[in-house]
Amino acid sequence: QKEVEQNSGPLSVPEGAIASLNCTYSDRGSQSFFWYRQYSGKSPELIMFIYSNGDKEDGRFTAQLNKASQYVSLLIRDSQPSDSATYLCAVMRDTGRRALTFGSGTRLQVQP
Amino acid sequence: DVKVTQSSRYLVKRTGEKVFLECVQDMDHENMFWYRQDPGLGLRLIYFSYDVKMKEKGDIPEGYSVSREKKERFSLILESASTNQTSMYLCASSPSVEFTEAFFGQGTRLTVV
Repeated sequence: QKEVEQNSGPLSVPEGAIASLNCTYSDRGSQSFFWYRQYSGKSPELIMFIYSNGDKEDGRFTAQLNKASQYVSLLIRDSQPSDSATYLCAVMRDTGRRALTFGSGTRLQVQP
Repeated sequence: DVKVTQSSRYLVKRTGEKVFLECVQDMDHENMFWYRQDPGLGLRLIYFSYDVKMKEKGDIPEGYSVSREKKERFSLILESASTNQTSMYLCASSPSVEFTEAFFGQGTRLTVV
């Protein structure tokens, strides 16, 4: 079992719709969770992070964390074609190793 | 703006060569990381460093070593390059006190022939 699992996609949504990206993780002790966006040929860039159970909103983006279910998601409201990218979920374990473990990413396509 | 700079964007090396990938950050970050990214596998951690002269193995350290002689510079070394090390290599840095973000360099596309 991979430490961080994501559906590779592509996830295709029409412009203006809500895109829902999901991630599960295996280490129950994980404490910090990150969503990165990566455009083709570019480096990952941070969208947002979440530490506590519940929702965290930043503009059109909402991260949701459920530690009991070991599940973290990213919602993108009013999706735009410019949101088309690969979204990487990353987890920091609570084992003293201050490094991120990444999922393989979900490719999102927003259709105009 | 945080800047993480990798020395080469594209690199082609021959099997058996010793390869150095250099990374420099200008934000006085304590933590630095090397990842490789392959299709379908995502980013995998090779090595990381919390401070000068310190290094820790990541998830796939075999065939690699690292050097951190100065705080701002973290080098990845392929002791004897092999074709299965053809990949995109990404360097990143982060502050130590509050790990809220890892900043990535532009990546080095290494091809071993």
